[in-house]
Amino acid sequence: DTEVTQTPKHLVMGMTNKKSLKCEQHMGHRAMYWYKQKAKKPPELMFVYSYEKLSINESVPSRFSPECPNSSLLNLHLHALQPEDSALYLCASSQTSGRPSSYNEQFFGPGTRLTVL
Amino acid sequence: AQSVTQLGSHVSVSEGALVLLRCNYSSSVPPYLFWYVQYPNQGLQLLLKYTTGATLVKGINGFEAEFKKSETSFHLTKPSAHMSDAAEYFCAVSGMSGANSKLTFGKGITLSVRP
Repeated sequence: DTEVTQTPKHLVMGMTNKKSLKCEQHMGHRAMYWYKQKAKKPPELMFVYSYEKLSINESVPSRFSPECPNSSLLNLHLHALQPEDSALYLCASSQTSGRPSSYNEQFFGPGTRLTVL
Repeated sequence: AQSVTQLGSHVSVSEGALVLLRCNYSSSVPPYLFWYVQYPNQGLQLLLKYTTGATLVKGINGFEAEFKKSETSFHLTKPSAHMSDAAEYFCAVSGMSGANSKLTFGKGITLSVRP
């Protein structure tokens, strides 16, 4: 199984709502990532988990809260978002970058299209 | 520190014509280089990658790229464009580990294919 799955595919939420995005992989990867992508722009890294521990937070506002319950699952909890947070949210996974033979090939999910009203 | 430069934002070719998408990189460590493709409303799919060894890398859908260290380039080519190649293409660079293992993307380039 070389697939990263993300749910839901689309999400519309108000600024006072609380929602969560879910990502799952069964490739045995120990690094998982959240990216935010605006239209016609490259993905922007938000968070990196390595061995279920948060290793990188790219100064993301606290209204985005990541969670890695186990090595296969990654969640992104959303609360009090702003309209400018509307974007495609991509999850990715890779072999951990801690091993000398790793080359950090990241496998991406299809994304969740988020609209904040 | 790493960076990727993809000049231009849009390339248009005729069906059957050569596709050439340019990528130049900057890296303080030996780079790993990637090309990803993104079709509308989809995630990113890996086209090909360079890690070590052979500098001419073949990928999926007939694409290939050549790593040229002296030119710090990793240009993507395909001999004959197909309508289905129309998409956004991102070049990316990373190092092996630590802070350099983050994937740094270029700004992307849109490929259009004319019938």
